Amino acid sequence: KAGVTQTPRYLIKTRGQQVTLSCSPISGHRSVSWYQQTPGQGLQFLFEYFSETQRNKGNFPGRFSGRQFSNSRSEMNVSTLELGDSALYLCASKREAGGPNTEAFFGQGTRLTVV
Amino acid sequence: LAKTTQPISMDSYEGQEVNITCSHNNIATNDYITWYQQFPSQGPRFIIQGYKTKVTNEVASLFIPADRKSSTLSLPRVSLSDTAVYYCLVGASGNTPLVFGKGTRLSVIA
Repeated sequence: KAGVTQTPRYLIKTRGQQVTLSCSPISGHRSVSWYQQTPGQGLQFLFEYFSETQRNKGNFPGRFSGRQFSNSRSEMNVSTLELGDSALYLCASKREAGGPNTEAFFGQGTRLTVV
Repeated sequence: LAKTTQPISMDSYEGQEVNITCSHNNIATNDYITWYQQFPSQGPRFIIQGYKTKVTNEVASLFIPADRKSSTLSLPRVSLSDTAVYYCLVGASGNTPLVFGKGTRLSVIA
């Protein structure tokens, strides 16, 4: 079956602009999480959506937002881009709920460069 | 969430067995231990998960002592393609987010 698909793979934006990244989870997975990865801070959790509702949120400013659609696809948006937002943004989907931490499947990521 | 501590980096020669130990002194009763592998510019990939004793799959083995305050990921006969960052995570239910530490950067040398 198809894996987690993230688009676009690469993106270059200018400071002050806004950007929207897309994630299509594995069919049947209802949980979608977003992570930011930078060399200095490592993999940091942004937020998680489950059945169109934000279930968990990391410690990021309000410029970072997301949403999930009824087909479980998710988007994240970053407004007023800063140079420090340059990172690899990863999306992960899980089949879900209850029991041990269910295996998460990650996409290839979107490499965002802010200039 | 239980904090984990693992070595920052390790080197190994091809064909050797590699053991990466993770400390999680504050692990809770209902926490599971999960390991992920990440190659450069790719998302992490699930390797193995366990609760206690030993778990083995086609890729690795996971050893967890009775007190569960640590765990060891064992990679048999590593190859150059096993060069990656390995993350140890501790958590409970499926609706809690995965929290990644710095991981262990494994370099396999020919």
